[in-house]
Amino acid sequence: SQTIHQWPATLVQPVGSPLSLECTVEGTSNPNLYWYRQAAGRGLQLLFYSVGIGQISSEVPQNLSASRPQDRQFILSSKKLLLSDSGFYLCAWSLRGLVNQPQHFGDGTRLSIL
Amino acid sequence: GESVGLHLPTLSVQEGDNSIINCAYSNSASDYFIWYKQESGKGPQFIIDIRSNMDKRQGQRVTVLLNKTVKHLSLQIAATQPGDSAVYFCAENRGKTSYDKVIFGPGTSLSVIP
Repeated sequence: SQTIHQWPATLVQPVGSPLSLECTVEGTSNPNLYWYRQAAGRGLQLLFYSVGIGQISSEVPQNLSASRPQDRQFILSSKKLLLSDSGFYLCAWSLRGLVNQPQHFGDGTRLSIL
Repeated sequence: GESVGLHLPTLSVQEGDNSIINCAYSNSASDYFIWYKQESGKGPQFIIDIRSNMDKRQGQRVTVLLNKTVKHLSLQIAATQPGDSAVYFCAENRGKTSYDKVIFGPGTSLSVIP
């Protein structure tokens, strides 16, 4: 069966510091990968998606970037965090090559910027 | 504009009763819909999906109904249990692209009264 792992679960960082959140998927090959941000009491906003190694698309302009160095690894980064980067970050995967497939989520990283 | 939204932000149900969570969507071209359950501090968990060529789909204690005429989606939970307390999101998949573009509603918080 497929599993998705995110770490760390929680992170407290000062303004201006760098960020690296990691997500890995097991049990499937060539997945589509996604990064979402969820503000408190709100829905999910898609930040980035990737359909293959090195292929990253951004949905919204922001202070963050994403990379996919390996097939089942997705990284969310920032060089200098802003207060507005606080939130709950979720990684997800879906099967590539098939239409109308659900996305499956990790348990997220709670990021607090001080 | 295009959106997926919920009729009620909160819902309280007595344990053992049936729950009905509603969702409206505005894009008549959408052909795939998903319900997710999100417990506190965790990522959304896939519950059930339905394609636009269906009106009803049943799972274990859950049923999703799709009314394309009025662009309405509902999730019915039978014999609601305390473990069903969570935020429920409907999502609309417009995935006719190389990835599954999913639009999430804002969510409905379900509270089960013991």
